[in-house]
Amino acid sequence: RKEVEQDPGPFNVPEGATVAFNCTYSNSASQSFFWYRQDCRKEPKLLMSVYSSGNEDGRFTAQLNRASQYISLLIRDSKLSDSATYLCVVNLGSTGRRALTFGSGTRLQVQP
Amino acid sequence: GAVVSQHPSRVICKSGTSVKIECRSLDFQATTMFWYRQFPKQSLMLMATSNEGSKATYEQGVEKDKFLINHASLTLSTLTVTSAHPEDSSFYICSARDQGQHYEQYFGPGTRLTVT
Repeated sequence: RKEVEQDPGPFNVPEGATVAFNCTYSNSASQSFFWYRQDCRKEPKLLMSVYSSGNEDGRFTAQLNRASQYISLLIRDSKLSDSATYLCVVNLGSTGRRALTFGSGTRLQVQP
Repeated sequence: GAVVSQHPSRVICKSGTSVKIECRSLDFQATTMFWYRQFPKQSLMLMATSNEGSKATYEQGVEKDKFLINHASLTLSTLTVTSAHPEDSSFYICSARDQGQHYEQYFGPGTRLTVT
C-alpha cells in the first residue's frame, strides 16, 4: 500500500465549478500535512498547510480527518489558472529533519 | 514564502561525465535540505537528506557513491551525479525547510538533466 494515495484524475471541470480532491495516508504517526501544486515541468509550490481544525485560504479549503487518515482539498469557483497537478503531502516526523512523502498527484484541468 | 534557488536549471551532458547541481536557500538558513528526483508522469521520490556539517542520509536503492551530496554551509547543498548514464536523465529538485510552525518545505525550481 502506498504511504500517500490520491486519485490521479484527471478531473476535467468547467470554469466556476467546485471540485474536491481526497487523499489518504497510511502512517498514523504522520504529523504535518500539506497540499502542493505542481505545474507541468515545474517544481512543486506550497499551496497550503492542512491544520487539524481545517483551514481556508480564499477559494481553497483544506480539511484533515486524523481518525480516518484522510485529507481533502476543496476548490471553489475554479479558474483556468487552477489547472495543475495537486500533490497531497505528508510529513512523518515532528521535526523538519524528516522529508516529505508525496502522493502521486491529482491532475486538474479547468476548461473554458 | 522562503526562496530556494537551483543551478543549473537545465543541463545536457555526455554519458560518463559528472554533473554538479547547486541548491541554495536565499533568505534563510537550512540545516537540512532534501534531494528529490522525478521521472516523467511520476511522483517525486526522495533520494537523500542532506544535513549541514554531516554525511547525507540516502534512501534505499540510491547509490551514495554515484550521487555525491555535500552540505558545507547553512545555505548551500550540492548534488553531484558521477559517471552519468542516460537512465540518470530526470528532473532533480531540492528542497529546504523553513522553520515555520508546520515545517513547510520550499522547493528549488529544479534541474532537468539529460544524459546523451
